[in-house]
Amino acid sequence: QVLLRESGPGLAKPSETLSLTCAVSGASVTSYYWAWIRQPPEKGLEWVGYTHYTASTKYNPSLTSRVSMSLDTSNNEFSLRLTSVTAADTAVYFCARGNYPSDATGWVIWGQGTLLTVSS
Amino acid sequence: QSALTQPASVSGSPGQSVTISCTGTTGDVGGYNYVFWYQQYPGKAPKVVIYEVSNRYPGVSHRFTGSKSGTTASLTISELQAEDEADYFCSSYTSSATYVFGTGTKVTVL
Repeated sequence: QVLLRESGPGLAKPSETLSLTCAVSGASVTSYYWAWIRQPPEKGLEWVGYTHYTASTKYNPSLTSRVSMSLDTSNNEFSLRLTSVTAADTAVYFCARGNYPSDATGWVIWGQGTLLTVSS
Repeated sequence: QSALTQPASVSGSPGQSVTISCTGTTGDVGGYNYVFWYQQYPGKAPKVVIYEVSNRYPGVSHRFTGSKSGTTASLTISELQAEDEADYFCSSYTSSATYVFGTGTKVTVL
């Protein structure tokens, strides 16, 4: 059974840089595509970006100047780094896995999500 | 990239059918058979019900059916049950090699 578990600071101040981590069990991060998707309170889902073991990454064009993602194969986890955060970045952040080992037409396994609140 | 357009809400009585539409462009829904549908209960993570337009994800009830015509995808829930009351989101791969989600639809069982 594949399980994903997000972790993060919970609270950040405007202009700070934050990092979120997704720990993966039941699968290796050297296979599949791995994504971050966020959901502001009472709003819809927004795809943030994905990363892959081949170093392939792709980000939402609206966030590309502030976001980066990476894999940690030794700990079987992947991370999201978001710079210059504002209140608009307040959301539940989900990590997710793509549906095929070498392709991702969509995201089929999700973590339970971690809430990030940006406030001074 | 603009969110895919879904109705804000649909409702039906137990046993009835409801259909949720998801309208995009030729650059996403209309250009690829990579439309997914997700079910989300309050405070929970989304769960995939339909992948690649019309394939039911393992373990999902046969009452869920997906289809697509042109730039609009649809999710039909037949034999509506109380447990189907949730938010539903569509998503699509795009010509920019990104992914876009729909605005979300709240399904209410009357």
